[in-house]
Amino acid sequence: GQNIDQPTEMTATEGAIVQINCTYQTSGFNGLFWYQQHAGEAPTFLSYNVLDGLEEKGRFSSFLSRSKGYSYLLLKELQMKDSASYLCAVKDNDYKLSFGAGTTVTVRA
Amino acid sequence: DTGVSQDPRHKITKRGQNVTFRCDPISEHNRLYWYRQTLGQGPEFLTYFQNEAQLEKSRLLSDRFSAERPKGSFSTLEIQRTEQGDSAMYLCASSHPEGTMSYEQYFGPGTRLTVT
Repeated sequence: GQNIDQPTEMTATEGAIVQINCTYQTSGFNGLFWYQQHAGEAPTFLSYNVLDGLEEKGRFSSFLSRSKGYSYLLLKELQMKDSASYLCAVKDNDYKLSFGAGTTVTVRA
Repeated sequence: DTGVSQDPRHKITKRGQNVTFRCDPISEHNRLYWYRQTLGQGPEFLTYFQNEAQLEKSRLLSDRFSAERPKGSFSTLEIQRTEQGDSAMYLCASSHPEGTMSYEQYFGPGTRLTVT
């Protein structure tokens, strides 16, 4: 089976940095995705890692270590609009995504 | 193209009734997926189409669930004899073929089903 773990909730202050960790044990690995989901809305794509290392996209960065089954999403210069659920997902074959339960990030002024 | 669309956005039905949801993917995407999401959880994979062929169906999908994509464009998901446990957000997603262009799945806004 698939096992993808991430913290349930995190709180941070506007302008700060937050790191959301994700560990996974899956039957296959074809890449790791991070999605953002605001309440009542569709998940939107943030980042994709298939090789070890750091991928940077503006205020968001994502890191992957395949040997450790570990990824993190780094959110810098937090804004109020970043308050959302962040979903870690592993593509375990060439099409299927297995998602974690999501981390709810609350940004406070 | 404005993205993946789903209809209806909300559906309230009584237990035992049948419901059907529609998904229109991004036009150039040949891959289409259905997921189900309950409160406080991530989406769970239900089924996957490549063009009109349904290539995988999750064990989560009981015999009461059926999905079609007759012409390789829009898809429908039908639930027969709904149960209260079917209450969830049903998400559709689409993507390009593997190894081409981009790799992410684009999600629609979802259909929220409430079974009373």
